[in-house]
Amino acid sequence: RKEVEQDPGPFNVPEGATVAFNCTYSNSASQSFFWYRQDCRKEPKLLMSVYSSGNEDGRFTAQLNRASQYISLLIRDSKLSDSATYLCVGDAGGTSYGKLTFGQGTILTVHP
Amino acid sequence: NAGVTQTPKFRVLKTGQSMTLLCAQDMNHEYMYWYRQDPGMGLRLIHYSVGEGTTAKGEVPDGYNVSRLKKQNFLLGLESAAPSQTSVYFCASSWVRGRIYEQYFGPGTRLTVT
Repeated sequence: RKEVEQDPGPFNVPEGATVAFNCTYSNSASQSFFWYRQDCRKEPKLLMSVYSSGNEDGRFTAQLNRASQYISLLIRDSKLSDSATYLCVGDAGGTSYGKLTFGQGTILTVHP
Repeated sequence: NAGVTQTPKFRVLKTGQSMTLLCAQDMNHEYMYWYRQDPGMGLRLIHYSVGEGTTAKGEVPDGYNVSRLKKQNFLLGLESAAPSQTSVYFCASSWVRGRIYEQYFGPGTRLTVT
């Protein structure tokens, strides 16, 4: 079983739609989680950090449910520029020196 | 601030050749990491460093060596390249807030080994 699992998609949504991505993790020692976005052939870029129950930044809301070992990312009012791969990431827990475990990514395409 | 930079951006090697990838960061971060990204495999940690002069193995260290002689630089070496090392290599650096480590990535090096 992968440590961080995501639905690979692809998600194909119209502009203005609300879309939600789900992610589960198996390492109960993980303390912090992140959502990165990765554009084609580019580096991952940090979108949001999640270490309490949730975090909101403009159109983006991330939630963490430690009991269910589940993280989600909600994107409201989707823009064409939101098209990318979204990576769910968890830390390795304990004194892991920032080592991260990456999910395989969820592909989002926003169309006009 | 340039953030995290990587050189070169692209490279083609023949099997058995050696090369060094350079990662530099100007954010005064203590922690640095090297990853490889392959289709269907996600990002995998090769080696990492928790400070100048220290290195440690990650998930897939075989065939690679690293050095961190200066805080701002983290070098990844391939002593004898193999086709299985064809990949996109990303370097990242991290600052710490409590126990939260946020990693910032460089633009990547695309390596092809023929």
